[in-house]
Amino acid sequence: GDSVTQTEGLVTLTKGLPVMLNCTYQTTYSPFLFWYVQHLNEAPKLLLKSSTDNKRTEHQGFYATLHKSSSSFHLQKSSVQLSDSALYFCALLNYNQGKLIFGQGTKLSIKP
Amino acid sequence: EAAVTQSPRNKVTVTGGNVTLSCRQTNSHNYMYWYRQDTGHGLRLIHYSYGAGNLQIGDVPDGYKATRTTQEDFFLLLELASPSQTSLYFCASSGGQLNTEVFFGKGTRLTVV
Repeated sequence: GDSVTQTEGLVTLTKGLPVMLNCTYQTTYSPFLFWYVQHLNEAPKLLLKSSTDNKRTEHQGFYATLHKSSSSFHLQKSSVQLSDSALYFCALLNYNQGKLIFGQGTKLSIKP
Repeated sequence: EAAVTQSPRNKVTVTGGNVTLSCRQTNSHNYMYWYRQDTGHGLRLIHYSYGAGNLQIGDVPDGYKATRTTQEDFFLLLELASPSQTSLYFCASSGGQLNTEVFFGKGTRLTVV
């Protein structure tokens, strides 16, 4: 069945450094990938989305490129800020079933 | 912005108790979802629905029932609650179109003692 894998449970960085959060997926259907961000005590909110192969998508300084050849949709930012501290989820939509499944999440912690 | 309202926001019940979590969306969305969130497991799909009267089984359905009574309302039922069901529950909705955004409610924290 469909699955999403995020390999890092916790990433700790100093402010101003670049970050990449990994996301790989498995599906037999055409992939629709999302990144959601969840700040403390809040609901998850959409950060990025893509279904186009090899096209970079950007929002709020974050960017990601869907690579169907490697089944990946890694999230990147060139310079993290304290406000980026949050839980980040990668998600896969199985459009045929209408089923949206999430990875385990990566906690990003930014230090001054 | 799209609105998804969950109630109650917090609930404590005893083992073996009967609990109903409610979710209402006013977005005219077709799809509604119930997830549970636990540390180390992320968001896991319990049940979902693509319209009134429809129910689809998610990835962790055991111990849960759900019912979609109207386009707006989706309920999650725990008929014999167990401590393993202590979790943070999110309801979400989406239009179901390509690349569509899923909107989440604020969550219900359920504790089974």
